[in-house]
Amino acid sequence: NAGVMQNPRHLVRRRGQEARLRCSPMKGHSHVYWYRQLPEEGLKFMVYLQKENIIDESGMPKERFSAEFPKEGPSILRIQQVVRGDSAAYFCASSPRPGQGSGNTIYFGEGSWLTVV
Amino acid sequence: GENVEQHPSTLSVQEGDSAVIKCTYSDSASNYFPWYKQELGKRPQLIIDIRSNVGEKKDQRIAVTLNKTAKHFSLHITETQPEDSAVYFCAASGPGSARQLTFGSGTQLTVLP
Repeated sequence: NAGVMQNPRHLVRRRGQEARLRCSPMKGHSHVYWYRQLPEEGLKFMVYLQKENIIDESGMPKERFSAEFPKEGPSILRIQQVVRGDSAAYFCASSPRPGQGSGNTIYFGEGSWLTVV
Repeated sequence: GENVEQHPSTLSVQEGDSAVIKCTYSDSASNYFPWYKQELGKRPQLIIDIRSNVGEKKDQRIAVTLNKTAKHFSLHITETQPEDSAVYFCAASGPGSARQLTFGSGTQLTVLP
């Protein structure tokens, strides 16, 4: 049973370019979370999605950031017009539907390291 | 929203000693409290979790305690080994739509041989 799959693992973008990070949840999981981790800092919640629905985006910056989880395909975190401060590790996690299996437990992918030059 | 505070930020112990990391949370509706271990450049890995209907849980050298009245929970690692060296994060989440995790700021644990 494959875990949470993220790609790319490492991404370098110039200031002003767009970054797209992809996440496929664990098999059987219907909920996806994105977290950002700045160097030597903790994990900050960004957005919580299920298929075709954003449940909570309270941690998303108001501009340049967007996320989706379409009916088919992976979840995508999109950062437009990247700036140096966007350089961070972006972790995706997934969990089962509430009341199913292990409930709140979330499992992280290996992360996507974005470097803006 | 939920706020989780974690102490200490760094902790050094001699191999074989115990390590204790403490967290407090603010939202009394939170009912799930996992601990994650993160090695440098790697993903956070779940090491143990506890739910609000339980006061203590143990898994080999790792134990977690929860005091719902005081809204704090702790991670205890006994007989520490050098491979326990990592950053440890506590987290809290609530039921339903509030189930996303809010993390503490992390504790860098160093086990000295």
